[in-house]
Amino acid sequence: NAGVTQTPKFQVLKTGQSMTLQCAQDMNHNSMYWYRQDPGMGLRLIYYSASEGTTDKGEVPNGYNVSRLNKREFSLRLESAAPSQTSVYFCASRGQGSYEQYFGPGTRLTVT
Amino acid sequence: AQSVSQHNHHVILSEAASLELGCNYSYGGTVNLFWYVQYPGQHLQLLLKYFSGDPLVKGIKGFEAEFIKSKFSFNLRKPSVQWSDTAEYFCAVNRPSGYSTLTFGKGTMLLVSP
Repeated sequence: NAGVTQTPKFQVLKTGQSMTLQCAQDMNHNSMYWYRQDPGMGLRLIYYSASEGTTDKGEVPNGYNVSRLNKREFSLRLESAAPSQTSVYFCASRGQGSYEQYFGPGTRLTVT
Repeated sequence: AQSVSQHNHHVILSEAASLELGCNYSYGGTVNLFWYVQYPGQHLQLLLKYFSGDPLVKGIKGFEAEFIKSKFSFNLRKPSVQWSDTAEYFCAVNRPSGYSTLTFGKGTMLLVSP
């Protein structure tokens, strides 16, 4: 039981490049979330998916898109990376009837 | 909008000192409350949570937190810290309805010196 997994662990992009961060969970959870963590800012919600087939914007969605590919997978895409998107990105999931979120190990992204 | 305030950004303690980290939230309705911990280089782990019932909740590694509804507070405590408690601590709140999104505080970095 791996819980929540994320790939890649590290990534360096140049301004304007695109990439997709992958997240998968094996806990049969309905809800999945993408956060970014910046020093002194805590975690801020980018997008979430309450269930397969639905996605909604969080606090800081600009510059990102998401896809809930199936119940297990929730990807985050940066179409044209900017230095302001340098951050650590965490994926999380939550089971139905539970309020607790389980977090993945994170992806450290640097945009130069 | 709901917000979560953590009083201290950085705390430095010696081993065996007592710890209290403050957390206040702004939402007036029913809330669920969490403390997460992030050890250096690791992902967030749940320390403890409060949904209802006894306002004093106990978590892992000797941590506890007290929910005081009248003060909109959920402070984290530990009687005697260890060097291994060095980490960043996040308070988080959600509303038990809708899509249950979490709002996090900005975090408190705790450094425990041996």
